Amino acid sequence: GENVEQHPSTLSVQEGDSAVIKCTYSDSASNYFPWYKQELGKRPQLIIDIRSNVGEKKDQRIAVTLNKTAKHFSLHITETQPEDSAVYFCAASTGANSKLTFGKGITLSVRP
Amino acid sequence: EAQVTQNPRYLITVTGKKLTVTCSQNMNHEYMSWYRQDPGLGLRQIYYSMNVEVTDKGDVPEGYKVSRKEKRNFPLILESPSPNQTSLYFCASTPRGRAYEQYFGPGTRLTVT
Repeated sequence: GENVEQHPSTLSVQEGDSAVIKCTYSDSASNYFPWYKQELGKRPQLIIDIRSNVGEKKDQRIAVTLNKTAKHFSLHITETQPEDSAVYFCAASTGANSKLTFGKGITLSVRP
Repeated sequence: EAQVTQNPRYLITVTGKKLTVTCSQNMNHEYMSWYRQDPGLGLRQIYYSMNVEVTDKGDVPEGYKVSRKEKRNFPLILESPSPNQTSLYFCASTPRGRAYEQYFGPGTRLTVT
């Protein structure tokens, strides 16, 4: 089955700096790659996703990139703010109706 | 308001006492799942359902049961809870054709002593 790994497990950045969170996956058939954000004490929420036919996708301060050859994808957050502090989960799925496999999560801390 | 609800939100129980965590969604989603979240282990799928009366095991199904008699409800049953089932549980629903777009409930914090 699919295995999704996230590195590093924690990341601390200064407010205003950029943050990059990386994930790797094992199943070359995976083609849906969503990212979820979980604030402290809250539920995970989808923030952005990318599909295998797209190399990059942007939404305001966040962007995702995908390298299918290397089987890794990344979340980029620019101009980080304290409210970006959260646990970020990457995930992968082989199809629109297929099981979603999550990584273990990365804790991002933005220092004011 | 479109939402996924879970009850109870917090539960402390003792080993062996059967319990049920309810999950309900009002978005007419076909797919529903249960996850458990443990420190350092992320979100692991327990069971999922692709439609009424259709359920299947996820990655960590041992010790759990589910049922899907109605489209909106997907209860999680622990017949004989054990301390290793102490965890944060999330129910999620998903529209057909968008399995990557999970809508999570608020979570249930379960402690088994």
